[in-house]
Amino acid sequence: AQSVTQLGSHVSVSEGALVLLRCNYSSSVPPYLFWYVQYPNQGLQLLLKYTSAATLVKGINGFEAEFKKSETSFHLTKPSAHMSDAAEYFCAVISRSGNTPLVFGKGTRLSVIA
Amino acid sequence: NAGVTQTPKFQVLKTGQSMTLQCAQDMNHNSMYWYRQDPGMGLRLIYYSASEGTTDKGEVPNGYNVSRLNKREFSLRLESAAPSQTSVYFCASRDRSLNTEAFFGQGTRLTVV
Repeated sequence: AQSVTQLGSHVSVSEGALVLLRCNYSSSVPPYLFWYVQYPNQGLQLLLKYTSAATLVKGINGFEAEFKKSETSFHLTKPSAHMSDAAEYFCAVISRSGNTPLVFGKGTRLSVIA
Repeated sequence: NAGVTQTPKFQVLKTGQSMTLQCAQDMNHNSMYWYRQDPGMGLRLIYYSASEGTTDKGEVPNGYNVSRLNKREFSLRLESAAPSQTSVYFCASRDRSLNTEAFFGQGTRLTVV
């Protein structure tokens, strides 16, 4: 079964600093991978997705993620944090084949300090 | 397009009461999902429906039932609500054949007292 691990339930960065949120997946075959963001009292919004051969994926709001098969990772980065980036971020995985469901990590809460 | 619509947005139930959470999508997606979100636990899958006419249990199905009424609608029923079912519930849909991302509703905040 697919699974995903997000290291760090809470990450705190200063405004303007690099944001790095970690995600590792377990799968023998590279799956599809997603990062979602959730602002307080709202639903989930897609940040970016990996579904093709391009390993560096750019998303909305200046975020990007790199798929590394050798490390089974899909870490999310942003060069310069903004106060508006404070939210909860979820990594999710789904198999490329079959009827398996979308599985989420436990989430990482990002705080941005002025 | 409305996307994924969940009703109600808020609900308070007494222990033992029953209720049905409704979900409808207008994107012609084949797969639909129900998740619950609890602090520190992420989104945990309750049930999913890969296509019309099929449903499967997820990680936390106990105390819930689902119905895939048609391609658009996927309802979640609590037959006898318990305080442990206090949570935020999200419905999502996805086009499995196009390998797209899942689209989420705005959630239902349920409190069982």
